[in-house]
Amino acid sequence: QQQVKQSPQSLIVQKGGISIINCAYENTAFDYFPWYQQFPGKGPALLIAIRPDVSEKKEGRFTISFNKSAKQFSLHIMDSQPGDSATYFCAARAGGYQKVTFGTGTKLQVIP
Amino acid sequence: DTAVSQTPKYLVTQMGNDKSIKCEQNLGHDTMYWYKQDSKKFLKIMFSYNNKELIINETVPNRFSPKSPDKAHLNLHINSLELGDSAVYFCASSSRQGLAGFEQFFGPGTRLTVL
Repeated sequence: QQQVKQSPQSLIVQKGGISIINCAYENTAFDYFPWYQQFPGKGPALLIAIRPDVSEKKEGRFTISFNKSAKQFSLHIMDSQPGDSATYFCAARAGGYQKVTFGTGTKLQVIP
Repeated sequence: DTAVSQTPKYLVTQMGNDKSIKCEQNLGHDTMYWYKQDSKKFLKIMFSYNNKELIINETVPNRFSPKSPDKAHLNLHINSLELGDSAVYFCASSSRQGLAGFEQFFGPGTRLTVL
């Protein structure tokens, strides 16, 4: 019940296109849904996050869409750039001690 | 200027050895974590400390022992290393306070290779 399922495993997008990564969860106790971006050789870094009382959050070219009833959320990267090439992790947090469960990651490659 | 630092960055050792990884954060956070990232990039939490108290202890072999001497440090000691321990280990920290509450800040990772 702690799982967060993420798809696709890898994604190739043309420069300027839209990258979409999907995640689904089962545990209704999750109350915070961050997305992390990881470049090769680096640690993950928070990209954008959403709480379940909001259906959408946008920061620049990055948007999270959240569907509470379906227990799904997704990351949209508009106008994808080669510099966006990285591995993206969705995650979900439950409980007061901030245990975060990560999805399996999506390797995004944006080609010129 | 580094927020979360780890040493060493690379660690190559023989099976059966004992090794330690050190982590320090200068963000004033009260919670620190150890994660293991395997070759498929899967990130799994191992331990978490809040104000030097162990609060998350996932199903991790007893050979792994975390130690938090103070809020800013969390070390990981591994006994009798096995081939399957080869992975990248990330330290992270977070705070429940303020607008940045819940965000976890990750260190650069320690790549452990067991031969």
